[in-house]
Amino acid sequence: DAEITQSPRHKITETGRQVTLACHQTWNHNNMFWYRQDLGHGLRLIHYSYGVQDTNKGEVSDGYSVSRSNTEDLPLTLESAASSQTSVYFCASSGGQGVNTEAFFGQGTRLTVV
Amino acid sequence: AQSVTQPDIHITVSEGASLELRCNYSYGATPYLFWYVQSPGQGLQLLLKYFSGDTLVQGIKGFEAEFKRSQSSFNLRKPSVHWSDAAEYFCAVAGGLISNFGNEKLTFGTGTRLTIIP
Repeated sequence: DAEITQSPRHKITETGRQVTLACHQTWNHNNMFWYRQDLGHGLRLIHYSYGVQDTNKGEVSDGYSVSRSNTEDLPLTLESAASSQTSVYFCASSGGQGVNTEAFFGQGTRLTVV
Repeated sequence: AQSVTQPDIHITVSEGASLELRCNYSYGATPYLFWYVQSPGQGLQLLLKYFSGDTLVQGIKGFEAEFKRSQSSFNLRKPSVHWSDAAEYFCAVAGGLISNFGNEKLTFGTGTRLTIIP
């Protein structure tokens, strides 16, 4: 079965370090998204991609970057981790046509910056 | 810009009782609306979605939602909850041409945590 997986599931890192969170999907979807989930804010969009070599900023993109070198992967990099980036991160992919479109989410990565 | 409001942060209901979770959206044109459920430690699972047509949509796990344009609402309902329904529920909105939908970004509400008591 097709799926979307995130790794690691849990990560503790120190302030100032560079961190990369992996997202891999086997749906063959063109569209991929990164969200962060925080209490009181729901899920907020960080970055997204509509295809290989395409990346776009979301509403909370400062301090994050993504790259899309193939269809399956959209890694999220925290250039210099800050305590404010402690959060749960979700990757999603979407595809299909019109009403059959659906977004699928990974199980999340819990990141703690100390 | 589109936005979603879920006014109830936490709701507690008895097992077997009916449930209604509220969702209000803001969008200038016809919205695409979704309800997702998140079980503890898990990702989000789509319960149902509204694109157009019949304003009452049926989803998985016995859930339904009704789109009311005049009230800008998309409330989620279930006639009889089960203990396994305890989770966090998110309403989301996307906008754009339906033919391009797969490219649209979702805007989420802040979520409603549902607790079920025996």
